Amino acid sequence: DAGVIQSPRHEVTEMGQEVTLRCKPISGHDYLFWYRQTMMRGLELLIYFNNNVPIDDSGMPEDRFSAKMPNASFSTLKIQPSEPRDSAVYFCASMSSGERDTQYFGPGTRLTVL
Amino acid sequence: AQSVTQLDSQVPVFEEAPVELRCNYSSSVSVYLFWYVQYPNQGLQLLLKYLSGSTLVKGINGFEAEFNKSQTSFHLRKPSVHISDTAEYFCAVRPRGGGSNYKLTFGKGTLLTVNP
Repeated sequence: DAGVIQSPRHEVTEMGQEVTLRCKPISGHDYLFWYRQTMMRGLELLIYFNNNVPIDDSGMPEDRFSAKMPNASFSTLKIQPSEPRDSAVYFCASMSSGERDTQYFGPGTRLTVL
Repeated sequence: AQSVTQLDSQVPVFEEAPVELRCNYSSSVSVYLFWYVQYPNQGLQLLLKYLSGSTLVKGINGFEAEFNKSQTSFHLRKPSVHISDTAEYFCAVRPRGGGSNYKLTFGKGTLLTVNP
């Protein structure tokens, strides 16, 4: 398997622009997680889905952030409008209910908002 | 709520030396415990996890960790490190129990640097 795929790997944008990050989980996995990693706050869970349904979005910072999972093989995290403080590395991870508590992480998207 | 404290932000060691990376947690409920490793410019990879049973857990790459409930600790150890073990290591917890709460709380990480 190719593992969790994220795109783009790097994104540089200007403040106020819309940013969309994409994730393809491992085939057959029914859980999908979005994390944000910064020097100041470390690694934080933003939201996670089970069978395409959002289960816990308590980590989503504010209304500018939204996440969707239209099908089992694709998810997006959108920031609109983006701000410099959103600069971070965003990770997507997936997990199978048949292998609970083992999350497989993608390589991340490094977002820079100027 | 849970919190995780990794007491050392950086640990430099020489190759073939033993290493211990410390992790303490705080939680009002019982938890499951994890160690993840992040190599430069990569995502995280699970090293090992404690869910139940023996408090000494063996993971990949020769690492092991011991759960100490009374000290609320889950320290990671390796008897002899290699240059390739240079990476950042994260301790994490999630609440134990029913339901499907898979929200992990991570520590700030410990950067292990193995020198020749």
